[in-house]
Amino acid sequence: DGGITQSPKYLFRKEGQNVTLSCEQNLNHDAMYWYRQDPGQGLRLIYYSQIVNDFQKGDIAEGYSVSREKKESFPLTVTSAQKNPTAFYLCASSPSGNSPLHFGNGTRLTVT
Amino acid sequence: KNEVEQSPQNLTAQEGEFITINCSYSVGISALHWLQQHPGGGIVSLFMLSSGKKKHGRLIATINIQEKHSSLHITASHPRDSAVYICAVVYGGATNKLIFGTGTLLAVQP
Repeated sequence: DGGITQSPKYLFRKEGQNVTLSCEQNLNHDAMYWYRQDPGQGLRLIYYSQIVNDFQKGDIAEGYSVSREKKESFPLTVTSAQKNPTAFYLCASSPSGNSPLHFGNGTRLTVT
Repeated sequence: KNEVEQSPQNLTAQEGEFITINCSYSVGISALHWLQQHPGGGIVSLFMLSSGKKKHGRLIATINIQEKHSSLHITASHPRDSAVYICAVVYGGATNKLIFGTGTLLAVQP
């Protein structure tokens, strides 16, 4: 079955450490996205990529970095510069920029 | 004021009831999504619509572009419908330009 796989489901890190969240899709979608979800707030866009080897900052990109070396993979690195990294992170993909989104099951990151 | 407002924030219903969740927005949009988020956190896309009405099983979504309002209806609700329902609007003609509502937490009791 096609879909989006995010791993791991839960991730714990110490403050000051960089951590990379995995997102893999086998839907052959061109566009991929990273969102952050915090309690009481709507999802917010961190980074997005419309095509391989290209990506753009979203609304809250500070303290994060991404790469898009392969069509099926869009890993997100949460760096030590991110002031408040504890959150639920969701990866999504779509065939193009104006199509329904397909979401992964998310990674809950806790930084202490 | 949020650009996308959902109401109610929380909703408890009895199994079999007809449920309506509302979404109002203040920006010009090209489309609107209704999403379902289950307790584990994964999100499923229910509808993407830009006009009129769409139906899928017991779910119906409507949108009135002039009034900047959309509704999600669930007929014959069931405990498995318990989830957070999220409205998101597309502005600027690109999926990356999404504004999400904060969600409506629905609990359907048997």
